[in-house]
Amino acid sequence: AQTVTQSQPEMSVQEAETVTLSCTYDTSESDYYLFWYKQPPSRQMILVIRQEAYKQQNATENRFSVNFQKAAKSFSLKISDSQLGDAAMYFCAYRSAGGAQKLVFGQGTRLTINP
Amino acid sequence: GAGVSQSPSNKVTEKGKDVELRCDPISGHTALYWYRQSLGQGLEFLIYFQGNSAPDKSGLPSDRFSAERTGGSVSTLTIQRTQQEDSAVYLCASSYTAGVGETQYFGPGTRLLVL
Repeated sequence: AQTVTQSQPEMSVQEAETVTLSCTYDTSESDYYLFWYKQPPSRQMILVIRQEAYKQQNATENRFSVNFQKAAKSFSLKISDSQLGDAAMYFCAYRSAGGAQKLVFGQGTRLTINP
Repeated sequence: GAGVSQSPSNKVTEKGKDVELRCDPISGHTALYWYRQSLGQGLEFLIYFQGNSAPDKSGLPSDRFSAERTGGSVSTLTIQRTQQEDSAVYLCASSYTAGVGETQYFGPGTRLLVL
């Protein structure tokens, strides 16, 4: 079974600075998808960014980018120019490319933005 | 609708009572998922529906949990004889199809408290 590990329960960053959230995963599959979701206090999970395992190029979405290291099974999220609205729980998630359609989530990292 | 909606937003019940949680997916989405978010277990997959196919119930924790999806749209998650360990946030998500590349869009969840 696949597992996802987020080793940082909490992180904080100064507004306008850059922060990196860590995620590692364990799988024997070669094809899969990885996601970062944001959960603000409203509880609604919002997709931040996604990465297809077969793509070598790291995904980027405006201020959000990932460092995908397939051999190391690492998938970190970098947030540049942090804004107060970025404060939330961040979850890393794995989805198999075949078979099970479910998302497997990490335990989450609570990100605080200091003004 | 514009997004996934869930009702009620919060539910308090007494141990041993039955509860029903409702999910309205995004219009046109054929795949629907239920997840549970609790302090002890993090985010866990419960059940998944895709069109008229038999649901994937592999994540349901016990036979007290059941779910149905009527007319390929609205879904109801039922918990019978609730226990205190059932207290959690129940999240629903939908996607256009169950394709591996499809993004799952989440609702705001139902917070269930069993006294």
